[in-house]
Amino acid sequence: GENVEQHPSTLSVQEGDSAVIKCTYSDSASNYFPWYKQELGKRPQLIIDIRSNVGEKKDQRIAVTLNKTAKHFSLHITETQPEDSAVYFCAASRPGSYQLTFGKGTKLSVIP
Amino acid sequence: DAMVIQNPRYQVTQFGKPVTLSCSQTLNHNVMYWYQQKSSQAPKLLFHYYDKDFNNEADTPDNFQSRRPNTSFCFLDIRSPGLGDAAMYLCATSAGRAEQYFGPGTRLTVT
Repeated sequence: GENVEQHPSTLSVQEGDSAVIKCTYSDSASNYFPWYKQELGKRPQLIIDIRSNVGEKKDQRIAVTLNKTAKHFSLHITETQPEDSAVYFCAASRPGSYQLTFGKGTKLSVIP
Repeated sequence: DAMVIQNPRYQVTQFGKPVTLSCSQTLNHNVMYWYQQKSSQAPKLLFHYYDKDFNNEADTPDNFQSRRPNTSFCFLDIRSPGLGDAAMYLCATSAGRAEQYFGPGTRLTVT
């Protein structure tokens, strides 16, 4: 089955700096890659997603890049703010599957 | 404007005493999911329903069962909770294979 590796497990950045989280997937057939943000004690919320027919997607301060050849995708957050502090999960899904395989998460701390 | 609602938010049960968690949705999504999330871990899919079709993950213990009486509601039954079943249980919904919307979760404590 699919396996998703996520790095780093923890990340601390100064407010205003950029943060990058990387994920690698094993199944070359996977074609959907969402990123979820989970604040302490709250539900995971989708912040951005990308499908395999595009290489990059951007939404304000958040961007995701996908390298299908290398089977990795990354989340980029620019101009970080304290409210960006949370655990971020990447995930991957195969065509025709309802299952999301999650990475183990990255705890991002933005230091004011 | 709650979209995915879970009740209760906190549930305490005794070792071996059956417990039922509920989920409802106002999105009219055809797919509903149950995830288990333990502290500092990623959500783990237990099963999902595509309409009334039940799909169990291969490694979901038999102790966990689910019911979906209609589009809006889905239940998670834990027949004989053990200490290892203490976790956050998340319900999610989607319209087909689109974005999954998560509920706020039910935190289960087993004493």
